[in-house]
Amino acid sequence: QVQLQESGPGLVKPSQTLSLTCTVSGDSISSGRYYWNWIRQPAGKGLDWIGRIHSSGTSNYNPSLKSRATISLDTSKNQFSLNLNSLTAADTAVYFCARASFYHSHIDALDVWGQGTRVTVSS
Amino acid sequence: QSALTQPASVSGSPGQSITISCTGTSSNVGGYNLVSWYQHHPGKAPKLMIYEDIKRPSGVSNRFSGSKSGNTASLTISGLQAEDEADYYCFSYAGSNTYIFGGGTQLTVL
Repeated sequence: QVQLQESGPGLVKPSQTLSLTCTVSGDSISSGRYYWNWIRQPAGKGLDWIGRIHSSGTSNYNPSLKSRATISLDTSKNQFSLNLNSLTAADTAVYFCARASFYHSHIDALDVWGQGTRVTVSS
Repeated sequence: QSALTQPASVSGSPGQSITISCTGTSSNVGGYNLVSWYQHHPGKAPKLMIYEDIKRPSGVSNRFSGSKSGNTASLTISGLQAEDEADYYCFSYAGSNTYIFGGGTQLTVL
């Protein structure tokens, strides 16, 4: 059974960089069969796609983040990570990681999700 | 890019059917057969219910079905049950290797 688990600080200061990690068990992020994604949900709001990465190194991001996000892979630990810089209160949210199947490089399903980790941006 | 448009809330009685719409444009929903739907009970991991507009993953009840007409995708839940009460989100490819969620719909089972 594939499982994803997010980890990271629950509180970060404005202007700093958030670093989150998603640990994958039951599947190999190196297989090339999936994209690995980050999604967030601000309190009281809907889901927002942040970006994705493939084992080939290809990554894509939500343009609304204005290049503040970077997703990377650590295949030795079977983990992928999100770095989000220049934080403001608007980045306060629950952050989810998710696995995505794809068809011709386009995501067709986010089929396995983590439980989410809450991040607050505050001084 | 703005979120896909979903009704903020829908409701139905047990046993009834409801439909949640997800309206976009020809650049996202209408341009590709790549709409998926997710059920989210707050505090838990979202769950895939429908993918590629109409396909149902194994293990998902056949009470859930997807459809699409033009720029609007729909999720229909038949034979409503109490455990269906949750938030539902659509998700679509939006071109240029980007993706977009709907604003979410809160389903209340009366």
